[in-house]
Amino acid sequence: KQEVTQIPAALSVPEGENLVLNCSFTDSAIYNLQWFRQDPGKGLTSLLLIQSSQREQTSGRLNASLDKSSGRSTLYIAASQPGDSATYLCAVSGTQGGSEKLVFGKGTKLTVNP
Amino acid sequence: NAGVTQTPKFQVLKTGQSMTLQCAQDMNHNSMYWYRQDPGMGLRLIYYSASEGTTDKGEVPNGYNVSRLNKREFSLRLESAAPSQTSVYFCASSEFGRETDTQYFGPGTRLTVL
Repeated sequence: KQEVTQIPAALSVPEGENLVLNCSFTDSAIYNLQWFRQDPGKGLTSLLLIQSSQREQTSGRLNASLDKSSGRSTLYIAASQPGDSATYLCAVSGTQGGSEKLVFGKGTKLTVNP
Repeated sequence: NAGVTQTPKFQVLKTGQSMTLQCAQDMNHNSMYWYRQDPGMGLRLIYYSASEGTTDKGEVPNGYNVSRLNKREFSLRLESAAPSQTSVYFCASSEFGRETDTQYFGPGTRLTVL
């Protein structure tokens, strides 16, 4: 059974700092890995999707990498801003369960202090 | 273009009552999903519908039924609510379930069962 772990569970940083969020998964047979953002009381917003054949994806100040063989992904946020404060969720879809079935980590709650 | 909409936003039920959570998407997506989010557990897939006319169980289907009414709408029914079903419920959709397809989430329904 696929399990997704996110470390740390919470992170507090001063504005302007570069930071890395970590995600690990137990079964390397995945279709893709996705990073989502969730604001308090809101739904999820997709940030980046990395296909199994890709190594990284970039969007603005965000860069996500994927090392399928080791079962790890990182989300790098450059020059953090208070508006980046949210919970970041990592999810993988597996070849065994079908690409529709996303398995989520429990998230990293990020606070960026002005 | 509203994306994924869910009704109601909040609901309080008594144990044993029934209710239906509604979800609609206007992106002409083929696949739709229902998740629940609980503190400490992350998001878990309840049911999904890969295309109109098909539904399949996810990780936690017990106590729920679904109906894919048409391509736009996917409802989740609790026949006899239990306190363990207190949760935040999210509907999502994607174009298909391909490895390039991200999922788009609704704002959620916060359900309390007393």
